[in-house]
Amino acid sequence: LAKTTQPISMDSYEGQEVNITCSHNNIATNDYITWYQQFPSQGPRFIIQGYKTKVTNEVASLFIPADRKSSTLSLPRVSLSDTAVYYCLLGDGGYNKLIFGAGTRLAVHP
Amino acid sequence: NAGVTQTPKFRVLKTGQSMTLLCAQDMNHEYMYWYRQDPGMGLRLIHYSVGEGTTAKGEVPDGYNVSRLKKQNFLLGLESAAPSQTSVYFCASSQTVTEQFFGPGTRLTVL
Repeated sequence: LAKTTQPISMDSYEGQEVNITCSHNNIATNDYITWYQQFPSQGPRFIIQGYKTKVTNEVASLFIPADRKSSTLSLPRVSLSDTAVYYCLLGDGGYNKLIFGAGTRLAVHP
Repeated sequence: NAGVTQTPKFRVLKTGQSMTLLCAQDMNHEYMYWYRQDPGMGLRLIHYSVGEGTTAKGEVPDGYNVSRLKKQNFLLGLESAAPSQTSVYFCASSQTVTEQFFGPGTRLTVL
């Protein structure tokens, strides 16, 4: 199974842009890259998904280089409420392949 | 719409007791999942279902059973609880496997 590697934790300040990079050297041709956000004592929440190049929605942007061996989640102008754990996942429709790693714990400071 | 709901929110069991966790979704999703999350770790898939009447094993199925008799409900059973099953259990549903909607979780403690 393709594995993802993310930083364990990151710190930022309100108003800054935060970029969280995920490495997935063995990504399969059919895999999509998906990011989830999880607040304490809550279930994860879908943020964004992409296959290649750049995807943007109202919450974040996802940058995927041509070789797809990594991806970067970009959160513009973070606020205190963006403090959460962010998970990078790979999945191709094979249900037992949606594997959550330990995620990146983002702390946003005033 | 309530989305995904889980019952109960908290439960304390003694070793060897049994219990059933109920997950319900009102989004008419085909796919449903049960995960467990241990402190400081990511979620691990226990069992999943790709439609009414179907179930399959995930990453950590041992000690658990599931049933999906109705499309909107997915039950997770522990026949003989063990302390190693102390965890937070999340249910999710989806129409596409990568965009899953999660419930609020059930915090289970086995003494």
